[in-house]
Amino acid sequence: ETGVTQTPRHLVMGMTNKKSLKCEQHLGHNAMYWYKQSAKKPLELMFVYSLEERVENNSVPSRFSPECPNSSHLFLHLHTLQPEDSALYLCASSQASLAGGRDTQYFGPGTRLTVL
Amino acid sequence: SQQGEEDPQALSIQEGENATMNCSYKTSINNLQWYRQNSGRGLVHLILIRSNEREKHSGRLRVTLDTSKKSSSLLITASRAADTASYFCATGVTGGFKTIFGAGTRLFVKA
Repeated sequence: ETGVTQTPRHLVMGMTNKKSLKCEQHLGHNAMYWYKQSAKKPLELMFVYSLEERVENNSVPSRFSPECPNSSHLFLHLHTLQPEDSALYLCASSQASLAGGRDTQYFGPGTRLTVL
Repeated sequence: SQQGEEDPQALSIQEGENATMNCSYKTSINNLQWYRQNSGRGLVHLILIRSNEREKHSGRLRVTLDTSKKSSSLLITASRAADTASYFCATGVTGGFKTIFGAGTRLFVKA
């Protein structure tokens, strides 16, 4: 257990559905991340929140909508997804330092998303 | 090509042998990290080496960093079947918030 939990672990949804992924960290960290991992592709950073403010948004389609209500919780709201959005979605947290550079990230187990 | 490229893409060895994986990157970095991922699971942090360090050890792991060549290597000594996983290098970029991951090396250790 890394101290980062994700629910659900598996999700199958149709293209017209709306669903949400949830991430919770119990480590007291001040930064949280959403990554997408597709088969045979590097891990893609989607969103970064630091102190509940979004600091990175890597040109992610608007059908993915993040929400960070507090430093322990992160959501990814999904609507009208495409089959190519099927992937493993990973959440991570870290304690970002003012000295620069981003230190160790702690990952959740991921949500395996299948879009039909 | 991308920041943080691992080499080889896949590696198959016998239990007890050493496994070496390499990573190259392009930009200035604050640190370089190695992560491990078992199939379909989250990534687990193994070791972090800062840009002013050249070598670091943790148990059976040895990491080197050569900032002049923009490269790093991960050595796993006396490998075990349980070491079978994908290994990723990740760079913390100077002045940025991102940690950029490579595509990974898939290691298979045969018992």
